[in-house]
Amino acid sequence: GIQVEQSPPDLILQEGANSTLRCNFSDSVNNLQWFHQNPWGQLINLFYIPSGTKQNGRLSATTVATERYSLLYISSSQTTDSGVYFCAAPKRNTDKLIFGTGTRLQVFP
Amino acid sequence: KAGVTQTPRYLIKTRGQQVTLSCSPISGHRSVSWYQQTPGQGLQFLFEYFSETQRNKGNFPGRFSGRQFSNSRSEMNVSTLELGDSALYLCASSSGTGNYEQYFGPGTRLTVT
Repeated sequence: GIQVEQSPPDLILQEGANSTLRCNFSDSVNNLQWFHQNPWGQLINLFYIPSGTKQNGRLSATTVATERYSLLYISSSQTTDSGVYFCAAPKRNTDKLIFGTGTRLQVFP
Repeated sequence: KAGVTQTPRYLIKTRGQQVTLSCSPISGHRSVSWYQQTPGQGLQFLFEYFSETQRNKGNFPGRFSGRQFSNSRSEMNVSTLELGDSALYLCASSSGTGNYEQYFGPGTRLTVT
């Protein structure tokens, strides 16, 4: 089945810095989602991005489906950006999401 | 539109007991999936339900079961609890299956003592 890998596993930044998180997937996918897990454990939807580029405020994402990767950009990071970021892709024709192992981001003032 | 809701939010049980967790999807969503998150195993898929039918099941023992009702609400049950069942249980809903954005609830944190 599909495998999803994320890098880097950990990222430590100072407030105001920019960062790029990467998600590689082993097979072609029909969609891909990025989530931010808040301190209470809830997964917050960031992007639903099967292909192309989307932007939402300081965050943007790009998926290059033909090369099987997606990138999440965080610009001018804030302490509230801290947490774990996951990408996930579904097993074909199901809602079974395969998650990467996540990137833990810590932003210090 | 209200988001996905899960009850209870926190639960403490003793080994050997059973537990039932509930998930109410976003209004109009017919697909509900369940995931278990532990520090060691990450996020692992448990079940997927669509229109009251279980469409997929993850690699978990038979102690883990679930169902979906006609109003799309879903429950999962864990019998004969073990210490290793301590985890965050998350459910997600979507309007279809396969190519639809999924939305997660706040989770139920289960502690087994």
